[in-house]
Amino acid sequence: EVQLVQSGGGLVQPGGSLRLSCVVSGFTVSSNYMNWVRLAPGKGLEWVAIVYSGGSTHHTDSVKGRFTISRDDSKNTLYLQMNSLRPEDTAVYYCARGGNRMAVAAIFDYWGQGTLVTVSS
Amino acid sequence: EIVMTQSPATLSVSPGERATLSCRASQSVSSNLAWYQQKPGQAPRLLIYGASTRATGIPARFSGSGSGTEFTLTISSLQSEDSAVYHCQQYYNWPPWTFGQGTKVEI
Repeated sequence: EVQLVQSGGGLVQPGGSLRLSCVVSGFTVSSNYMNWVRLAPGKGLEWVAIVYSGGSTHHTDSVKGRFTISRDDSKNTLYLQMNSLRPEDTAVYYCARGGNRMAVAAIFDYWGQGTLVTVSS
Repeated sequence: EIVMTQSPATLSVSPGERATLSCRASQSVSSNLAWYQQKPGQAPRLLIYGASTRATGIPARFSGSGSGTEFTLTISSLQSEDSAVYHCQQYYNWPPWTFGQGTKVEI
């Protein structure tokens, strides 16, 4: 059974840091394109970052230089390191599994349960 | 960046009725369009990909159509458990992959 179980998140002051984790089971994290997607209050879903099966990464412009997606294959875990957090980063963050090739990299068929990140003083 | 626009923002329907949700892309995305259902407090669930292919386990009352810039999600014979926000997403042009702002279906 495919499962994505998230941890991390919480309340942090502007300029602070957090690391989100997503432990996967039922497949290997390196075999698929893994993503982070967020849902801010009153807004639509927003794709945040991807790590390709080969290990390269890409981030949306609004988080470039501040957020870093990574994975640990030995722990079958996906991470999102978030630095220099801003109030506009407040959202529920989801890890999501994409396909195993570029054409379907962004068809998100399994999702974590979500974790709330609140950036406020 | 491709902008996805969904309409209406909210749709109120009665059980057993048909619901038609629209999604428009700012430029052609071919058939690279997915629909997700999100219930309160839950993660999104993949309903449709390739504009019209139902994901595994999705009931036949959910159907998708369209190509290019105009897409439709139809829910025939609505059931109470279909109350949710429905998101469309293009995966044709990246980065970034983009979503619409969502349509809330109230039953």
